[in-house]
Order: sequence, then structure tokens, then C-alpha cells
Amino acid sequence: NAGVTQTPKFQVLKTGQSMTLQCAQDMNHNSMYWYRQDPGMGLRLIYYSASEGTTDKGEVPNGYNVSRLNKREFSLRLESAAPSQTSVYFCASRWTSGGQGYEQYFGPGTRLTVT
Amino acid sequence: KNQVEQSPQSLIILEGKNCTLQCNYTVSPFSNLRWYKQDTGRGPVSLTIMTFSENTKSNGRYTATLDADTKQSSLHITASQLSDSASYICVVTGLTGRRALTFGSGTRLQVQP
Repeated sequence: NAGVTQTPKFQVLKTGQSMTLQCAQDMNHNSMYWYRQDPGMGLRLIYYSASEGTTDKGEVPNGYNVSRLNKREFSLRLESAAPSQTSVYFCASRWTSGGQGYEQYFGPGTRLTVT
Repeated sequence: KNQVEQSPQSLIILEGKNCTLQCNYTVSPFSNLRWYKQDTGRGPVSLTIMTFSENTKSNGRYTATLDADTKQSSLHITASQLSDSASYICVVTGLTGRRALTFGSGTRLQVQP
């Protein structure tokens, strides 16, 4: 039982390049999330997926796209990377039912630098 | 706007000492409050969760308290160990809409021998 896994762990991009961050969970959770964490700030929600086939914008969605490929996998894509997207990205998942959200589990993070 | 403020931003203590971290929030209505521990280079891991009706919750040497009237929470660490060196994040879940989580910016704790 690996929990939430993310790839890659580290990535350096040049401005304008694109890439996809991968996330997978094996806990049969229905909800999945992408956050970014910047120094001195709390985690901020980029996008989330309440269930397979649905995605919604969070607090800071500009410059990102997501795909909920199936129940297990939720990817985050940067189409044209900018230095402002230098951050640590965390994927998370949890079970939600009847409007009630349970424990949220986080992946180990992807440290992205855009030069 | 929902906010979660944590203090202090950073803290250095000697091994074996106790410490208390603070969390003030404005999220309303409120569903629950969690404390997470985040080791350097890792994702956050949950320590405690409290609903509005709970005043205190313990997890080993970690004890969280909640005062829902004043919208304040604290995390007390007893007999600190070197492995307690980490960031501690307060997270509040709202009760409306999609029950969004609001994260504090964390308190960075360093335990020195």
C-alpha cells in the first residue's frame, strides 16, 4: 500500500517549456487535489477532482490544467512554464461522502524550478 | 476571506523541553481543525483532528486544544525529541460548499541537542 505517489521528485524547466506532473493513489479515494507550497505561505489549492470524470478550479488555477485519468490518477500539466510557477507541488487524496470529507493524505511532493 | 494564522513562524528549543504552537482562524462556519507535521522534503502527515465540539485531542506527546468560541487552537509538544524538528501546519475545514481546506503557513520547529 504505497498511499499517494508523485513523479518526478525534482524537475528544472526553462520558461515556456511544458510538463506534466503525475499523481496516483491506491487507497480507493474518490477525491484528489493538487496544491502548491511557496515559502512563507500555506498550501494553496490549484485544482481538485471530487470524483472520476470531474475537475474544478481551486484558489490558483491560472497556468495549469488537470486530467483525472481514472479513479487512481490525477495529473497536473503546465503548458508554458513561467518562473512564478517555481514551487513545491503536492498531490493529495481523501474519501468524501455525503458532503463529509475525511482524512487527506499527501504525496511526497515535486520540487519544480523554472528558470 | 477565510484565514488561518500561526505563531510563532519559527521556534528553536532544546531537546526534552516542552513547547506550544498557536493557531488562530477566521473560517466560519467551521467543520474541523487538523494539525499536520511536515518533515523537510516530505508531504504533510496528520497528527490530530478536532471537531467544533472537542476541546482537546492527544496523539502521544502531541496534545491539541481547541476553543471554538475564540477561534483558537494550540498544539503542545511534551518532552521534545530531535525527530520533532519539522513544520507544523494548522488546517481548518469549512462547513459550506465543497468544504474547502484553509492552510496556515506553518510554524517551523527546530529541536537542538
